[in-house]
Amino acid sequence: RKEVEQDPGPFNVPEGATVAFNCTYSNSASQSFFWYRQDCRKEPKLLMSVYSSGNEDGRFTAQLNRASQYISLLIRDSKLSDSATYLCVVNMPSSASKIIFGSGTRLSIRP
Amino acid sequence: NAGVTQTPKFQVLKTGQSMTLQCAQDMNHEYMSWYRQDPGMGLRLIHYSVGAGITDQGEVPNGYNVSRSTTEDFPLRLLSAAPSQTSVYFCASSYAIYPNTGELFFGEGSRLTVL
Repeated sequence: RKEVEQDPGPFNVPEGATVAFNCTYSNSASQSFFWYRQDCRKEPKLLMSVYSSGNEDGRFTAQLNRASQYISLLIRDSKLSDSATYLCVVNMPSSASKIIFGSGTRLSIRP
Repeated sequence: NAGVTQTPKFQVLKTGQSMTLQCAQDMNHEYMSWYRQDPGMGLRLIHYSVGAGITDQGEVPNGYNVSRSTTEDFPLRLLSAAPSQTSVYFCASSYAIYPNTGELFFGEGSRLTVL
């Protein structure tokens, strides 16, 4: 089983729609969770951290479910500029930190 | 605002050649790492370092060596390049280490083709 798994998509939704992605992780001791955004042929950039209580940043909401070991990202009122690949990121606790990326979910917003 | 600088941006190698991808950061980050990205595979961790003199293996370390002699630099060495190492390589750094994980700052990537 992969340590971090995501639905690769692609998700193709109309502008203004709400879209949600899930990501599952294998290590129950993981403590840090993030969503990164990657535009085509660019480096990944942090979108938001994911906190135990859930957190919101404008149109974006991230949630963590420790019991089921998954995190989610909800995008409301999607914009054309939201088209990108969204990467789920989890740390793997050990003697030092391994930061593991999921394979990413492609999102395409159509006019 | 240099951030994380990777060189070269593009490289073509022949099978069996060696090369070093350079990575430097000017943010005084303790944590540095190398990832490779292949289509449909996401980013896979090759090696990482939590400070000068300390390195460890990631998910796909075979065929790659690293060293960390200074806080700023974390070069990735391919000793004998293989076509399977054709990929985009990203270097990243962070100000926090375990148990806290901070934001990763990435370089712009290095596109390597092995013929």
